[in-house]
Amino acid sequence: RKEVEQDPGPFNVPEGATVAFNCTYSNSASQSFFWYRQDCRKEPKLLMSVYSSGNEDGRFTAQLNRASQYISLLIRDSKLSDSATYLCVVNAWNDMRFGAGTRLTVKP
Amino acid sequence: DAGITQSPRHKVTETGTPVTLRCHQTENHRYMYWYRQDPGHGLRLIHYSYGVKDTDKGEVSDGYSVSRSKTEDFLLTLESATSSQTSVYFCAISPEDRSNTEAFFGQGTRLTVV
Repeated sequence: RKEVEQDPGPFNVPEGATVAFNCTYSNSASQSFFWYRQDCRKEPKLLMSVYSSGNEDGRFTAQLNRASQYISLLIRDSKLSDSATYLCVVNAWNDMRFGAGTRLTVKP
Repeated sequence: DAGITQSPRHKVTETGTPVTLRCHQTENHRYMYWYRQDPGHGLRLIHYSYGVKDTDKGEVSDGYSVSRSKTEDFLLTLESATSSQTSVYFCAISPEDRSNTEAFFGQGTRLTVV
């Protein structure tokens, strides 16, 4: 079983749609959580950290459920520029594990 | 963007040859990392460094060695390249332990071993 699992997608949605990605992790000792964004053939870049209380950054909302070992990312009012692969990242004692990513395509 | 440069950006090499990839940073960050990214897998840590001459293994370190003789440079060496090492290699840097702060990635090196 992989340490961090994501639905690979692809998710194909129209502009303006709301889309949600889920991620599960296996290490209950995990301490910090992130979502990274990776454009095609580019390097990953931090999208947002994920806090226990949940957090929002504009159209993006991240949630953490420690009991279920589950992280989510919600994107509202999708834009064409949101098309990318979204990587779930989980850290336990400086051992940072990346999910394989969920691919999103937003279409006009 | 963080000042981090990888070289070369693309390389094709033959099985059994040695290969060295270079990561250079201008941010004076303490931590540097080498990852590989393959389809169906997340980024996987090969080696990391927490200071000059201080390095440690990651989860997929077999077949790779690293060196950090200066703060700004972190070298990844494949002593004898194999086809299974065909991958995209990313270097990353962070000012602190990456568990608490953002890691900044280089643009990647596409390595093909034929």
